[in-house]
Amino acid sequence: AQSVTQPDIHITVSEGASLELRCNYSYGATPYLFWYVQSPGQGLQLLLKYFSGDTLVQGIKGFEAEFKRSQSSFNLRKPSVHWSDAAEYFCAVGARSGNTPLVFGKGTRLSVIA
Amino acid sequence: GAGVSQSPSNKVTEKGKDVELRCDPISGHTALYWYRQSLGQGLEFLIYFQGNSAPDKSGLPSDRFSAERTGGSVSTLTIQRTQQEDSAVYLCASSLLSPNSPLHFGNGTRLTVT
Repeated sequence: AQSVTQPDIHITVSEGASLELRCNYSYGATPYLFWYVQSPGQGLQLLLKYFSGDTLVQGIKGFEAEFKRSQSSFNLRKPSVHWSDAAEYFCAVGARSGNTPLVFGKGTRLSVIA
Repeated sequence: GAGVSQSPSNKVTEKGKDVELRCDPISGHTALYWYRQSLGQGLEFLIYFQGNSAPDKSGLPSDRFSAERTGGSVSTLTIQRTQQEDSAVYLCASSLLSPNSPLHFGNGTRLTVT
């Protein structure tokens, strides 16, 4: 079964600074990988996803993530954070067989300071 | 089009009472998931309905929890004899049956057991 680890529970960055949120997964084959964002009082929204091909994927709101098979990682990055990016971020891993549910990490809460 | 709709948005109940939480998925989405979100625990998988196949109930925490999906559409999550540790946000998501289809989440039902 697949699993996801998000090592950072809470990160604080200054507005305009760069951001990297870490995600490590465990799965016996190449997984499907996702990042979701949950803004305060909102439902979860898909930021980006990796299925195959180019290991650097672009998402909405200026986010990108890089799949590194050798490190079993799928870290989320943004070059310049905006105050509106303050939210909870969840990494998720899915099996290509499709017969098991998506497994989520415990999330990383991002705070943005002026 | 309409997204995933969950009702009620908030539910306060007394310990020992039964509760029913409802989810209306996006039309045409044959996969439906229930997750539970507790503070600091991320998203905990509960149950997964995948088309006409038998549901994956492996995440249900006890036999007090059950779920149905009628006519391949609306789903109801029932918690019997609620306990205080059941307090959480219960999230429903739907997707196409393809394993690389992203999940579309509802805004959740916040359950408080007093």
